[in-house]
Amino acid sequence: AQKVTQAQTEISVVEKEDVTLDCVYETRDTTYYLFWYKQPPSGELVFLIRRNSFDEQNEISGRYSWNFQKSTSSFNFTITASQVVDSAVYFCALLGYSSASKIIFGSGTRLSIRP
Amino acid sequence: DGGITQSPKYLFRKEGQNVTLSCEQNLNHDAMYWYRQDPGQGLRLIYYSQIVNDFQKGDIAEGYSVSREKKESFPLTVTSAQKNPTAFYLCASSIGPSGADNEQFFGPGTRLTVL
Repeated sequence: AQKVTQAQTEISVVEKEDVTLDCVYETRDTTYYLFWYKQPPSGELVFLIRRNSFDEQNEISGRYSWNFQKSTSSFNFTITASQVVDSAVYFCALLGYSSASKIIFGSGTRLSIRP
Repeated sequence: DGGITQSPKYLFRKEGQNVTLSCEQNLNHDAMYWYRQDPGQGLRLIYYSQIVNDFQKGDIAEGYSVSREKKESFPLTVTSAQKNPTAFYLCASSIGPSGADNEQFFGPGTRLTVL
């Protein structure tokens, strides 16, 4: 069975604070892909990053960084110096190699950045 | 501009009526998907298609139907058999179902309300 857990339902921080969104996944596949998507109030999901299971290097893109740890089955997302425009729902997702096209989405974390 | 379009943005339907949601992509992607999102929840897969003239049921296909007669089009029909159709519907596409380029790109969504 494949599963993605985002235990944080809602997070609220003051602008310029750093914030980390947690993602824990379960899969029996040795080859798999992990994703993060952002869903702003407009509703459209925006692709942020993809990681494959053989690449555990952390990634940084501007104020965004991702920490992939196979040992703990986690793929956490950190926003540094948060801004109001970062307010959105963020989804972590998993695609196992045996699952063909079926990406499994977590339930999402609603992030609110207060000015 | 390349992308995914969904129409209409808002749709109202009387109970007992079938309704068809449009999804078009000009990204030359092989795979297309339909998801349903209920308030405060993640995405659930309705149907997906990896190639023209072929599609598979997702996790919640009952009460829905699709067709894939053209590569760029993947319309979703919500039938009267769907017990609770009020939701936000998202269409997505990807280059292919697996391999390096498997991230899904999403359309702006259609919000369906049954009156």
